[in-house]
Amino acid sequence: SAVISQKPSRDICQRGTSLTIQCQVDSQVTMMFWYRQQPGQSLTLIATANQGSEATYESGFVIDKFPISRPNLTFSTLTVSNMSPEDSSIYLCSVETGQGARDEQYFGPGTRLTVT
Amino acid sequence: GEDVEQSLFLSVREGDSSVINCTYTDSSSTYLYWYKQEPGAGLQLLTYIFSNMDMKQDQRLTVLLNKKDKHLSLRIADTQTGDSAIYFCAESSAAGGSYIPTFGRGTSLIVHP
Repeated sequence: SAVISQKPSRDICQRGTSLTIQCQVDSQVTMMFWYRQQPGQSLTLIATANQGSEATYESGFVIDKFPISRPNLTFSTLTVSNMSPEDSSIYLCSVETGQGARDEQYFGPGTRLTVT
Repeated sequence: GEDVEQSLFLSVREGDSSVINCTYTDSSSTYLYWYKQEPGAGLQLLTYIFSNMDMKQDQRLTVLLNKKDKHLSLRIADTQTGDSAIYFCAESSAAGGSYIPTFGRGTSLIVHP
């Protein structure tokens, strides 16, 4: 299993500013992911955070808007840049552990972001 | 339509059984999952089923899979107030070499006395 913490747990930010969300895991993991959960919507994968290389972004998400760092196997950050009210959402860090064809996926508690 | 669909709300009385339904479109889905999200918390993997199975039981939870109809259900026996949460259905396949799941919108389960 994996225990994941995120900081901050919630924030209210002004339009045009940026917020960096931190994700810390209690063990080394190969795969770390960032998801967005908008109100009434399903979880949407933003990107896969790769250790030692640039993140892999899903369609509709770009590095300039959501820069990601992954300096080691237990930590990652997601920055939401130049925020607008449409970025109000819950942002979830997720990790994959285990071996074999189906690895266990664990989620952090999320960061609730409100942009005014 | 969406890749994974589920109804948004379900209300049940404490002690009754809850059945949450889900349909998906990807015929190559390998794993089907149910996650639980309590208020203010992250998603917790409840159970998963491999696509070559049609049923899996784990204490009060029963997962039924109809692969022909691409229909997945989660039955919670003797539902308790602590079961009130959002339940997400998800599926994954080995596309691209990873099993990153695709999620539904979640079903809010409300358990009332």
